[in-house]
Amino acid sequence: EPEVTQTPSHQVTQMGQEVILRCVPISNHLYFYWYRQILGQKVEFLVSFYNNEISEKSEIFDDQFSVERPDGSNFTLKIRSTKLEDSAMYFCASRELGQVRYEQYFGPGTRLTVT
Amino acid sequence: AQKITQTQPGMFVQEKEAVTLDCTYDTSDPSYGLFWYKQPSSGEMIFLIYQGSYDQQNATEGRYSLNFQKARKSANLVISASQLGDSAMYFCAMRDEYGNKLVFGAGTILRVKS
Repeated sequence: EPEVTQTPSHQVTQMGQEVILRCVPISNHLYFYWYRQILGQKVEFLVSFYNNEISEKSEIFDDQFSVERPDGSNFTLKIRSTKLEDSAMYFCASRELGQVRYEQYFGPGTRLTVT
Repeated sequence: AQKITQTQPGMFVQEKEAVTLDCTYDTSDPSYGLFWYKQPSSGEMIFLIYQGSYDQQNATEGRYSLNFQKARKSANLVISASQLGDSAMYFCAMRDEYGNKLVFGAGTILRVKS
């Protein structure tokens, strides 16, 4: 069964460094998402992406964040200058066009630790 | 704006018994969908069940069923015959009319006792 993959599974970085989290969505999916889950808290929407542009973003998704689909398979989230409060699990999700349920398929997550 | 409320931070259930996890929602969208996800300690998000706002019947997927009461804006998850492997965090989530995002509740930690 096709699945969303994410790399790395765990990333440790120092405050102020740039990080890029990578996702490979399911191949025929056209909508892509990033969510964040701070430890012990609920999952929060960051951004949705379709047709090579951002469809919607939350107030969390400030100028420190950017997303890109650099080729036909990867979808990346970049954090320019990490802060301690960026430590969280980051989930990528994707969904296909035209599906009635609008179901999003989640990747396994990348745990980001900022020290 | 959409909102999901899960009022039970934690629940205990005896193995083989049924348990209901509560979820209420608020939205002004005429069309929406409700999801339940399971998050075990390993961290991944596992889809359990979906209910569309226009679905006439309550959704069922194996041991999972969704008690959808549209007038009350509630979408409670019922797990029948609980198993030890059901111990996890459970999230209720709602998609907006256009599927641009999911809004999640705070979650309920379920512990199944043997």
